[in-house]
This record gives sequence, C-alpha cells and structure tokens, in this order.
Amino acid sequence: AQTVTQSQPEMSVQEAETVTLSCTYDTSESDYYLFWYKQPPSRQMILVIRQEAYKQQNATENRFSVNFQKAAKSFSLKISDSQLGDAAMYFCAYLMDSNYQLIWGAGTKLIIKP
Amino acid sequence: NAGVTQTPKFRVLKTGQSMTLLCAQDMNHEYMYWYRQDPGMGLRLIHYSVGEGTTAKGEVPDGYNVSRLKKQNFLLGLESAAPSQTSVYFCASSYAGGNSNQPQHFGDGTRLSIL
Repeated sequence: AQTVTQSQPEMSVQEAETVTLSCTYDTSESDYYLFWYKQPPSRQMILVIRQEAYKQQNATENRFSVNFQKAAKSFSLKISDSQLGDAAMYFCAYLMDSNYQLIWGAGTKLIIKP
Repeated sequence: NAGVTQTPKFRVLKTGQSMTLLCAQDMNHEYMYWYRQDPGMGLRLIHYSVGEGTTAKGEVPDGYNVSRLKKQNFLLGLESAAPSQTSVYFCASSYAGGNSNQPQHFGDGTRLSIL
C-alpha cells in the first residue's frame, strides 16, 4: 500500500528566509503524481504545486519549488523569501496513476517569525 | 466563482442523530470526494464518485452513506452519528482522476461535533 510520510510536525522560519519541508512516500508504481497543499487557519485546502513522476524537471511556482528525487522517493517543498501569509499547515499528497485516491501525509505546521 | 460549496459549515449533533452534508460544485467536474480530517492526521477518503449515479468506498466508509443523483451534487449522510465521527469534513472535486494531473478542488470544510 502507498504511504506518505512527513517527518516534521512543525517548522519555523524567519520572514524572508528559505525553508524546506520534507516528504517521502512509498510506492511500487512508476507513474504517479505528487502534490503539496496548503491549509491556512481558514481551513481552505489550497493547491501549492504538483509534480508528475515522469517529468525529471522539478516543478516551480513563483517562490515555491520542489526537489523531486524519484529513486529516493522524496518530494520536498522549498519556500523562498518566506512571507507571513505562508504560515499554514502543509500537506504532501500522492496520487497513483489510474486511481482516484489521494494519499495524504500527516502535515507540517509552518510558522513564520516576523 | 463559487467552486466547491459545502453546507453547513458547522453542526453539533447528539449521538444517534442523523444528518446530511451537502457538497455542490459548479465546475462540471466528473469526480467528487468526501474526506475527513482529524487532528495530527492527513485527510482520509470516506467515499468518492466518478460520475452521476455512481459511488464507491474509500478508506474509511463505515457509518457513512453517499449519493450522487446529480452531477454537481454529492451528499454525505451519517445514519446514526457517533462521537468518533467528530471531525472536519471536506468535499473535493476534480475534472478527472487517475491518469490526469488535474488537481482536486476543495470546499471550505464542515466542522461536525457529535456529543
């Protein structure tokens, strides 16, 4: 069975600095998708970035980028120039090709220090 | 742009009562999902639907029923509420599942407390 592990329950970073959130997953599949979702205190679940496993190039979205290491089954999220509005729970999620179920990690709470 | 709308946003029930949570999406998405989110855990899939008139069990389906009579609506029912069902419930929808990278769009959640 596929599993997703986020080993950092909480992380803190100074405003304007860079922080990296870790995510590892376990799968025997070769085709799948990986996502990072952000959940601020408002509870909304917001897609931050996504990565297709068949793509070697790491996805980037403005200040957010990933380090996708397929062989190591690692999918970390880097947030550059951290802003107060980045404070939230961040969830890593895995979607197997030809399946409908997102498998979620337990989340990492990101605290931004002003 | 409404997206995914969940009603109600909050509800308190007594043990044994029944209720229905409504999810509506206006994006013409085929796939819809119900999750529950408990403290310290990621989201867990309760039931999902890949099209009007179809439903399937997810990871934690016991104690819940669903219906998808219309493409835009996905209802989650609690037949006899139990304190273990106290949780935040999220509905999501997507254009497709599986071999597509279409992401799931989420509603704002329903906080449900069972006393």
